[in-house]
Amino acid sequence: GESVGLHLPTLSVQEGDNSIINCAYSNSASDYFIWYKQESGKGPQFIIDIRSNMDKRQGQRVTVLLNKTVKHLSLQIAATQPGDSAVYFCAENFNNFNKFYFGSGTKLNVKP
Amino acid sequence: NAGVMQNPRHLVRRRGQEARLRCSPMKGHSHVYWYRQLPEEGLKFMVYLQKENIIDESGMPKERFSAEFPKEGPSILRIQQVVRGDSAAYFCASSPLSGGHNDEQFFGPGTRLTVL
Repeated sequence: GESVGLHLPTLSVQEGDNSIINCAYSNSASDYFIWYKQESGKGPQFIIDIRSNMDKRQGQRVTVLLNKTVKHLSLQIAATQPGDSAVYFCAENFNNFNKFYFGSGTKLNVKP
Repeated sequence: NAGVMQNPRHLVRRRGQEARLRCSPMKGHSHVYWYRQLPEEGLKFMVYLQKENIIDESGMPKERFSAEFPKEGPSILRIQQVVRGDSAAYFCASSPLSGGHNDEQFFGPGTRLTVL
């Protein structure tokens, strides 16, 4: 079956440093990916998305990179802030309405 | 413009009771999705509904679980005869009318179900 997994379950960074969160996906047919941020006790919040016809997309302080050759997705957060502390999920979708498959998440701890 | 609303936020049930979780999508959204999240895990798709129709329920357990999205009112996820393994956070998401497979989903705050 399809699976989305993350390399690092927990990531600790110093405030002001850049963070990189990685995600591996297994379905080569996946054509749409989203990164979500989930703070404690809240629902997932959309951060950034990317379609399979792109390999990079930038937002405000965030960049998503997609490497379809190795089926790898990453989220880069520039100048990480304490408010970035949360669990980050990648989710993939492939030609199946809006059924998204989520990874298990990476917890980002930002140390002041 | 209110976001996706879910209630109750916390629900405690004893084994064998029924749990009813409600979700009101964002204004103008007619597509609703339910996900389940166990502690320290990602969200698992359960069911996708449009008004009065179940589009995809492949992630829903075959027994005890049901979902509906009536013409009027919120979407309901119903769990009959709850067991301890049903304890989880249940999230609802909604997307716009187009329902295209690349539409962003907006999530509610979730209902945390605890089965004693």
